[in-house]
Amino acid sequence: AQTVTQSQPEMSVQEAETVTLSCTYDTSESNYYLFWYKQPPSRQMILVIRQEAYKQQNATENRFSVNFQKAAKSFSLKISDSQLGDTAMYFCAFMMLTGANNLFFGTGTRLTVIP
Amino acid sequence: NAGVTQTPKFRVLKTGQSMTLLCAQDMNHEYMYWYRQDPGMGLRLIHYSVGEGTTAKGEVPDGYNVSRLKKQNFLLGLESAAPSQTSVYFCASSPDILLRAFFGPGTRLTVL
Repeated sequence: AQTVTQSQPEMSVQEAETVTLSCTYDTSESNYYLFWYKQPPSRQMILVIRQEAYKQQNATENRFSVNFQKAAKSFSLKISDSQLGDTAMYFCAFMMLTGANNLFFGTGTRLTVIP
Repeated sequence: NAGVTQTPKFRVLKTGQSMTLLCAQDMNHEYMYWYRQDPGMGLRLIHYSVGEGTTAKGEVPDGYNVSRLKKQNFLLGLESAAPSQTSVYFCASSPDILLRAFFGPGTRLTVL
């Protein structure tokens, strides 16, 4: 079974500062994808960033980057130059490459950006 | 494009009542999914469809039925609602597997 663990229920960061959200996962698969989704107060789930397990290079999307440590099964999200609009729940998710018809989500981290 | 829309946005049911949630997408996506989100938890897959006329069970399918009669619509039915089905329901669609999933805005359902 695949499990995704987010050990930080809540975090806060000052505007313009950098924050890192943690995620660990457990799987016996070798090929898979990892995701970070953002859920703002509007409830809409928005894809922030995606990482393929077979790629060693960490994914980046503008102010968002990941630190993917495959051996440690760790997948953290770094948000640089935090903005008020980054305030949201952030979910880490895992998807197997084979039979890829489900995203397994963590329990989420509530991030508050303080002005 | 409207993307993924869900109807209704809110609903209150009494135990034993039935209802249908509608998900519609205008992106011509093959894959569609129904998830539920409970407090303190991530989303869990209820049912999914890999094309018109197909459906399959996800992690938590009990108490729900689905239909995909048209490619653009994916219906989630509750035949006899129970308080344990109080949740926020999200629909998602994608052109292939879940690499590029688009989520709807959610439906908040309360079963009394």
